[in-house]
Amino acid sequence: KAGVTQTPRYLIKTRGQQVTLSCSPISGHRSVSWYQQTPGQGLQFLFEYFSETQRNKGNFPGRFSGRQFSNSRSEMNVSTLELGDSALYLCASSPQGTSYEQYFGPGTRLTVT
Amino acid sequence: GESVGLHLPTLSVQEGDNSIINCAYSNSASDYFIWYKQESGKGPQFIIDIRSNMDKRQGQRVTVLLNKTVKHLSLQIAATQPGDSAVYFCAERRGNTPLVFGKGTRLSVIA
Repeated sequence: KAGVTQTPRYLIKTRGQQVTLSCSPISGHRSVSWYQQTPGQGLQFLFEYFSETQRNKGNFPGRFSGRQFSNSRSEMNVSTLELGDSALYLCASSPQGTSYEQYFGPGTRLTVT
Repeated sequence: GESVGLHLPTLSVQEGDNSIINCAYSNSASDYFIWYKQESGKGPQFIIDIRSNMDKRQGQRVTVLLNKTVKHLSLQIAATQPGDSAVYFCAERRGNTPLVFGKGTRLSVIA
């Protein structure tokens, strides 16, 4: 079974631009969570989607948004990029909403200049 | 609020020795704990998990111990190998809330 895939793997953007990242969960998984990873803050939760509905949301500004499609694929969007948004963005999928075990993708490395 | 932290940011061990990575948590309501391993350039990889109704769980070369009295979690790796070199994260969860991750411990295996 294929793992979690994320595209693109690397991205360079300029301050003020917006970016969309994509995540394809493991086949059959219905829950997708997004995390931001930086050296200073570690892994921080962004949001979780289950069956196209946002179920949990982390403490991030409204510039960060996401959505999930009927096939469980998910996208996250960051508008008006800031230098501090440079990070590794990780997506994780779970078999079902109440399952605790999450499987992570390789991440998208975003650099904002 | 809750917090999950690690006692040591770095740990160096000789190949073949056992490794112990520690984690402290502050929320006694947490009911699920998990350890992840992250190698350079990769996403976190599931190692082992434990629920709060257990004290110990064993996997292949790994053991997780949970001490709810002092709110302490540890990961033991037996016969540490060079391939075990990575950053290890503990994380905790209460019910259906999101996982809260610790800062991570870097394990270096000396050949």
